[in-house]
Amino acid sequence: QVQLQESGPGLVKPSETLSLTCTVSGGSMSGYYWSWIRQSPGKGLEWIGYIYYSGSTNYNPSLTSRVTMSVDTSKKQFSLRLSSVTAADTAVYYCASGPVVGASNWLDSWGQGTLVTVSS
Amino acid sequence: DIQMTQSPSSLSASAGDRVTIICRASQSISSYLNWYQQKPGKAPKLLIYTASNLQSGVPSRFSGSGSGTDFTLIISSLQPEDFATYYCQQSYSTPRTFGQGTKVEIK
Repeated sequence: QVQLQESGPGLVKPSETLSLTCTVSGGSMSGYYWSWIRQSPGKGLEWIGYIYYSGSTNYNPSLTSRVTMSVDTSKKQFSLRLSSVTAADTAVYYCASGPVVGASNWLDSWGQGTLVTVSS
Repeated sequence: DIQMTQSPSSLSASAGDRVTIICRASQSISSYLNWYQQKPGKAPKLLIYTASNLQSGVPSRFSGSGSGTDFTLIISSLQPEDFATYYCQQSYSTPRTFGQGTKVEIK
């Protein structure tokens, strides 16, 4: 397991782009899916997508037109950009990771989460 | 998308009770089912992966079973620190989806 830490603005204006970075420590980025999950206040968990260490991505179709993920293995960071945000994007955003073992995958490391509020 | 439905949505139990949480998938997901525990203000924590494998460091009172569409998380003897919300998540296909959560409260 690795340690993860999210960073980025806690307040974003409507129609602007939310940008978050997750810094990885304590392990390698190879062989892992690097994921973003969010949780609206008082609600359940929503998978945003993941990026593999090689750079290949998989996004939630409900967000794919607005989401971009990137990875920088030299800095041991991966990032999320979500464009054209609205109040509905207000949530705690978690970065998370887990191994890929055959066809199986799970999230065994999580950041502490960062609250992003969309408001003017 | 694969829909994950948990039951019950909430339950009240006492320390020492055996607790069972059900997770049902809208289609077969083989054994690609994970369970997480979340306490207020904290990130989820992995308990069980691939239906029945106990994550390292997780107490043995937690166990998981099932395959196909029906899965179960059992807490054999509820401890005070187990009061939390529990989520199942399928990793069979994308988009990954979570159940709506089961809140375990103190009776």
